[in-house]
Amino acid sequence: AQSVTQLDSQVPVFEEAPVELRCNYSSSVSVYLFWYVQYPNQGLQLLLKYLSGSTLVESINGFEAEFNKSQTSFHLRKPSVHISDTAEYFCAVSEPGNKLVFGAGTILRVKS
Amino acid sequence: GAGVSQSPSNKVTEKGKDVELRCDPISGHTALYWYRQSLGQGLEFLIYFQGNSAPDKSGLPSDRFSAERTGGSVSTLTIQRTQQEDSAVYLCASSYVGGASYNEQFFGPGTRLTVL
Repeated sequence: AQSVTQLDSQVPVFEEAPVELRCNYSSSVSVYLFWYVQYPNQGLQLLLKYLSGSTLVESINGFEAEFNKSQTSFHLRKPSVHISDTAEYFCAVSEPGNKLVFGAGTILRVKS
Repeated sequence: GAGVSQSPSNKVTEKGKDVELRCDPISGHTALYWYRQSLGQGLEFLIYFQGNSAPDKSGLPSDRFSAERTGGSVSTLTIQRTQQEDSAVYLCASSYVGGASYNEQFFGPGTRLTVL
């Protein structure tokens, strides 16, 4: 069975600073990997995904994640965060049938 | 177009009562998922419906939980004899399952269940 570990429950960071949210997964088969974001009082939104091909994937709002098969990681990065990036971020892996296995989540708090 | 909708948005109930949570998927989406988001347990898969196939119930935590999907569209998650540990946000997602091996899941806003 797959599992996902998000190493940090909370990450405080100042505005315009870089950030990395860490995610490691375990799986015995090839996987699809995802980052979802949940803004305060809102539903889950897909931020970016890795299905195949280039190991570096990007979102429209400046986040990127790199699939590293040897380290079984899919860390999320942004070179310069904004106050509006404050949210909870979930890393996930899909199982057959596309049901998602989520990590525990990382709360990103951007401070001015 | 309309996204996934869920009702009610909030539900407060007493321990031992039964509750029904509703999910309206995006029109045309053939797959429907229920997840639960609770403190201490994070986001957990509960059940998955795909077309006319038998549902994948492998995530249901006990036999007090059941779900049905009528006409391949609306789904109802039923929790019988609710317990305090059932308090959580219940999320529904739907996706269109086509020829691709991956189909994005779109999530509803959730139903926050509080069991007193």
